[in-house]
Amino acid sequence: DVKVTQSSRYLVKRTGEKVFLECVQDMDHENMFWYRQDPGLGLRLIYFSYDVKMKEKGDIPEGYSVSREKKERFSLILESASTNQTSMYLCASSYRQRTDTQYFGPGTRLTVL
Amino acid sequence: KNQVEQSPQSLIILEGKNCTLQCNYTVSPFSNLRWYKQDTGRGPVSLTIMTFSENTKSNGRYTATLDADTKQSSLHITASQLSDSASYICVVSAASGTYKYIFGTGTRLKVLA
Repeated sequence: DVKVTQSSRYLVKRTGEKVFLECVQDMDHENMFWYRQDPGLGLRLIYFSYDVKMKEKGDIPEGYSVSREKKERFSLILESASTNQTSMYLCASSYRQRTDTQYFGPGTRLTVL
Repeated sequence: KNQVEQSPQSLIILEGKNCTLQCNYTVSPFSNLRWYKQDTGRGPVSLTIMTFSENTKSNGRYTATLDADTKQSSLHITASQLSDSASYICVVSAASGTYKYIFGTGTRLKVLA
């Protein structure tokens, strides 16, 4: 079974702090994604990566950066957390093709005070 | 603009009853459509995937249909169980352009005993 794990289920940070969210997949998937999910808005793509050290902006990249130094690991970085970044963050991975299923991690609920 | 709209927003049914969830999309050119189930506090899990040429796909008590001409899909749940209580998300991906998936905002289903 594909497993996508995220470093924390719940996280509370203060405004201005630097926040790291980590995601690891164990199925040698090429593609990895970071989404945020807010009530009434559905999932919105922040960044995705289709290979090591490769990344592309999604729909809402402002205030975020990412790092993919190894194939299995994709990190989301909030350089200076703000209250409007309070959300559920979901990581996903998929093998390669557009028809390949995305496998999601359990999510990290981030609260910025 | 590529969009995915789902209805109803929420639904309450009694255990053992059937229900149908709707998804309308304007994504073009179309590649595939997925239905995901998301339990509260968890990441989405894939139920079905359909490409342009497929008009029905089943996964146990879940049956998805696709009408590519009218750009509509439905997810039918037969003999509902308490464990079906979740959000159901329709996701459409385009055949060209930026590698991304367009998510609906989901239908929240509650099954009562």
